[in-house]
Amino acid sequence: DAGVIQSPRHEVTEMGQEVTLRCKPISGHNSLFWYRQTMMRGLELLIYFNNNVPIDDSGMPEDRFSAKMPNASFSTLKIQPSEPRDSAVYFCASRLGGGTHEQYFGPGTRLTVT
Amino acid sequence: KQEVTQIPAALSVPEGENLVLNCSFTDSAIYNLQWFRQDPGKGLTSLLLIQSSQREQTSGRLNASLDKSSGRSTLYIAASQPGDSATYLCAVAGATNKLIFGTGTLLAVQP
Repeated sequence: DAGVIQSPRHEVTEMGQEVTLRCKPISGHNSLFWYRQTMMRGLELLIYFNNNVPIDDSGMPEDRFSAKMPNASFSTLKIQPSEPRDSAVYFCASRLGGGTHEQYFGPGTRLTVT
Repeated sequence: KQEVTQIPAALSVPEGENLVLNCSFTDSAIYNLQWFRQDPGKGLTSLLLIQSSQREQTSGRLNASLDKSSGRSTLYIAASQPGDSATYLCAVAGATNKLIFGTGTLLAVQP
């Protein structure tokens, strides 16, 4: 298995632009998680899906952030409009089964908003 | 609210030394605890997962223990190698299904 796949790996954009991050979970996994990592706040959960349904989006910082999971093999995290403080590394993770199982992380997308 | 703390924040040891990384959490109602490794500029690699009913897990030179009642976990690395240099993160999963991460320990193993 290729593991969790994220694209792009690096994204540089100007303030105000729309940014879309993509994730392909491990085949067969039924939960998907989006995290953000910054020096100041560490790793934070933004949102997670179970069987393609958003379960908890309480970590999404603002309405500028939105996430979708149209099918079991694809998810997007969108920021519109982007701001410099959104600069961070965004990770996607997937899991098979319930909360007692391991989460497997993708390589991350490093986002820089200038 | 669950809070996870890791001590020390940074550690430097000579090659071959055994070492212990510490993780503490405030709410003992957890499903499991997971230890990760993160190399600079890379994603997280899962090292060990300990279920709430378990006391320890071992993988090669790594041994993780869990004392749920006291809210503590340790990651023991035997015979450290320069390739072990990385940031080590612990994370706990509770009833909310969320992983709450500690701030990490930056380990440097000197050759």
